[in-house]
Amino acid sequence: GAVVSQHPSWVICKSGTSVKIECRSLDFQATTMFWYRQFPKQSLMLMATSNEGSKATYEQGVEKDKFLINHASLTLSTLTVTSAHPEDSSFYICSAKQGSETQYFGPGTRLLVL
Amino acid sequence: AQSVTQPDIHITVSEGASLELRCNYSYGATPYLFWYVQSPGQGLQLLLKYFSGDTLVQGIKGFEAEFKRSQSSFNLRKPSVHWSDAAEYFCAVVYGGSQGNLIFGKGTKLSVKP
Repeated sequence: GAVVSQHPSWVICKSGTSVKIECRSLDFQATTMFWYRQFPKQSLMLMATSNEGSKATYEQGVEKDKFLINHASLTLSTLTVTSAHPEDSSFYICSAKQGSETQYFGPGTRLLVL
Repeated sequence: AQSVTQPDIHITVSEGASLELRCNYSYGATPYLFWYVQSPGQGLQLLLKYFSGDTLVQGIKGFEAEFKRSQSSFNLRKPSVHWSDAAEYFCAVVYGGSQGNLIFGKGTKLSVKP
């Protein structure tokens, strides 16, 4: 139980394009989903928290117009990196929880912007 | 500020030897405590968690952790390490009940030598 998937696992795109990453809770309904960014050899940095049907709450320093988050259903959240640039290259990880204290993490998406 | 400290950046142990990974958290009432493991290029897998009750918690893969309030610690242990345990280990804390966000330590990389 408590499986979270992400798609795609790898994406390479040109600078200036937009990239959408999906996060799905496969066997539970996620009232809250989280998006993290992880730089090489570093810990996870929380980008934003989203609750189903409402606007995401962004952490300080995260541009909400750059990183668009949609949590349209209890099993799906999407992160769209708009007008991506090389500095956006990173490992993006989502997590989900169902009203409990435990977050379950997806396998991550590696983004490379050329 | 609330924080989590993992003092050891990198630890190397011999296969079959015992392991202890340290984690300290800043003072906070009733923190929820977690240990996650991350293999290279992968997401995070929950090893174990502590919310309340017995301060010695058992997790998956033979890991255990002990909550010591007097030391603000939640150290992870395993009596006999296997080569497949080589990975990055993250301690994480939620403050303020179930509505709080996960705060991660910087991680400890575990290497296992034959």
